[in-house]
Amino acid sequence: EDQVTQSPEALRLQEGESSSLNCSYTVSGLRGLFWYRQDPGKGPEFLFTLYSAGEEKEKERLKATLTKKESFLHITAPKPEDSATYLCAVQADAGNMLTFGGGTRLMVKP
Amino acid sequence: DSGVTQTPKHLITATGQRVTLRCSPRSGDLSVYWYQQSLDQGLQFLIQYYNGEERAKGNILERFSAQQFPDLHSELNLSSLELGDSALYFCASSLSSGPGNTIYFGEGSWLTVV
Repeated sequence: EDQVTQSPEALRLQEGESSSLNCSYTVSGLRGLFWYRQDPGKGPEFLFTLYSAGEEKEKERLKATLTKKESFLHITAPKPEDSATYLCAVQADAGNMLTFGGGTRLMVKP
Repeated sequence: DSGVTQTPKHLITATGQRVTLRCSPRSGDLSVYWYQQSLDQGLQFLIQYYNGEERAKGNILERFSAQQFPDLHSELNLSSLELGDSALYFCASSLSSGPGNTIYFGEGSWLTVV
């Protein structure tokens, strides 16, 4: 069974204080690892897809990396508007659906 | 705006009742997915359709059913509702059914069962 674990569950940062969010996964053949951002009461907003170990993708203050067992979402010099829940999900060989982790709730204080 | 449209945005109904949630996928997308998000369970996959046919099933209850119509819109039917069915229901879509396709989510339908 595919499993995704995200840590920490919650993270409080000061504006400008860089940090990383972790996503550990167990999957029978990884086809893609997805990162989404979700604001309260809204739908998940697509950020990145990573396909193979060693791959990196960047978007503004966010950078996602992938190894064979985990992915990191690095946030550099965060701003209060980066506050949200960040979700990691895997897509496996067995099917097209996404299996999500529990998310990391990020709070950035000015 | 992801381009995935869901209606209604909010719905309050009583136990034992039946509701229908509607989803229009992004223009050109053939695959539709339904997910349930509750506070204690996170995002759970329910079911996937591709071009009108069921492709994959997750932990969808027998009281729930879905279909995708020829115009590609989809409906999720929830019947004999229980208090525990209160959740956010998301529809998502992708271009095809193959793995690696980006899956875009709608804004969700809030269901409250009282």
